[in-house]
Amino acid sequence: DTEVTQTPKHLVMGMTNKKSLKCEQHMGHRAMYWYKQKAKKPPELMFVYSYEKLSINESVPSRFSPECPNSSLLNLHLHALQPEDSALYLCASSQGAGGAHEKLFFGSGTQLSVL
Amino acid sequence: GDSVTQMEGPVTLSEEAFLTINCTYTATGYPSLFWYVQYPGEGLQLLLKATKADDKGSNKGFEATYRKETTSFHLEKGSVQVSDSAVYFCALSGAAGNKLTFGGGTRVLVKP
Repeated sequence: DTEVTQTPKHLVMGMTNKKSLKCEQHMGHRAMYWYKQKAKKPPELMFVYSYEKLSINESVPSRFSPECPNSSLLNLHLHALQPEDSALYLCASSQGAGGAHEKLFFGSGTQLSVL
Repeated sequence: GDSVTQMEGPVTLSEEAFLTINCTYTATGYPSLFWYVQYPGEGLQLLLKATKADDKGSNKGFEATYRKETTSFHLEKGSVQVSDSAVYFCALSGAAGNKLTFGGGTRVLVKP
């Protein structure tokens, strides 16, 4: 299994809703990532978990709350989002915990629309 | 800080044409360099990588050579197909190993 699986594929939510994005990998990878990608822009790093511990938080607003329940799962909890948070949210994983040569495996993303 | 600059698209080509996408970078030390491809409606996939100067990465007919003297990592393919239509991202991984810095992306459209 060489896939990173993200659910849901599409999500529409209001500004007062609470929702969660889920990501799963069964490759035994030790690092997992959340990226945000606006239309026609490159992905922007949000969070990195290494060995299930948060290692990088790129000054992301607190309305985004990551969680890594175990080495295979990564969640992103959403609360009180703004319309400008509408984007494609990509999950990725890598085998090790941060070597410079590492290949990232990306999921297909969750397309989020905030109304 | 680290940065990657790549040519803006869209690049429109006919099938079997030669493709070049320019990429230059700024980084301290000796970064690793990558090309990722994003097909419509999908996440990113690693296309190729190079980890040191003069390394050549290659995959699926695509090639790129790590040129430290010109801080470049240009992507080339000799004969493109319609299926190569996608957005291509140049990226580097520097001293903070698990943090990729992406270029702005280049959209490529190959017409039959």
